[in-house]
Amino acid sequence: EAGVAQSPRYKIIEKRQSVAFWCNPISGHATLYWYQQILGQGPKLLIQFQNNGVVDDSQLPKDRFSAERLKGVDSTLKIQPAKLEDSAVYLCASRPNTGERHNEQFFGPGTRLTVL
Amino acid sequence: GDSVTQMEGPVTLSEEAFLTINCTYTATGYPSLFWYVQYPGEGLQLLLKATKADDKGSNKGFEATYRKETTSFHLEKGSVQVSDSAVYFCALSRNYGQNFVFGPGTRLSVLP
Repeated sequence: EAGVAQSPRYKIIEKRQSVAFWCNPISGHATLYWYQQILGQGPKLLIQFQNNGVVDDSQLPKDRFSAERLKGVDSTLKIQPAKLEDSAVYLCASRPNTGERHNEQFFGPGTRLTVL
Repeated sequence: GDSVTQMEGPVTLSEEAFLTINCTYTATGYPSLFWYVQYPGEGLQLLLKATKADDKGSNKGFEATYRKETTSFHLEKGSVQVSDSAVYFCALSRNYGQNFVFGPGTRLSVLP
């Protein structure tokens, strides 16, 4: 079974520029998460989708961050405009809604963003 | 709100030493508890989990017991290897996979 795919793996931009990250979850996983992991910290949930609907975006800085999952499969996270403090690894995870592993998350390799 | 606290790292051990990484949590209800591991340059991988009180999760020689009375889920391994060097994250989830909260992580370095 293929894992969670993310691209790009690395991105360097200047502050005030825009950037987008892409995630393709494991086939059949209805729930998709985006996390921000700042160096030396644990992942912080940004947004959670159930199919193409948003379940929780309470910690998403909506003035600059946006995310969509239009067809309930892959997802895009955008930052516009970026700030220095957005430098972090952005992790995507997916979760099956049924079966023995229904409460486990499967993580992608992440996208490391550096804002200069 | 929910929170997870882990012992601060880094933890440095010699090969074959005994490992304990402490984890305590604050949450309403009865969360599921997890340990995830992040090897250098890789994404997080589930190491083990426990879904109810007194459950013991185990994998690859690691184990942790869900202690509701002390709200703890300490990770242990009897004999660590160099290949166990990684960052370990304790996490909880309420409502069957909702509301995941991660601890800050503990970096483990095992020396040969």
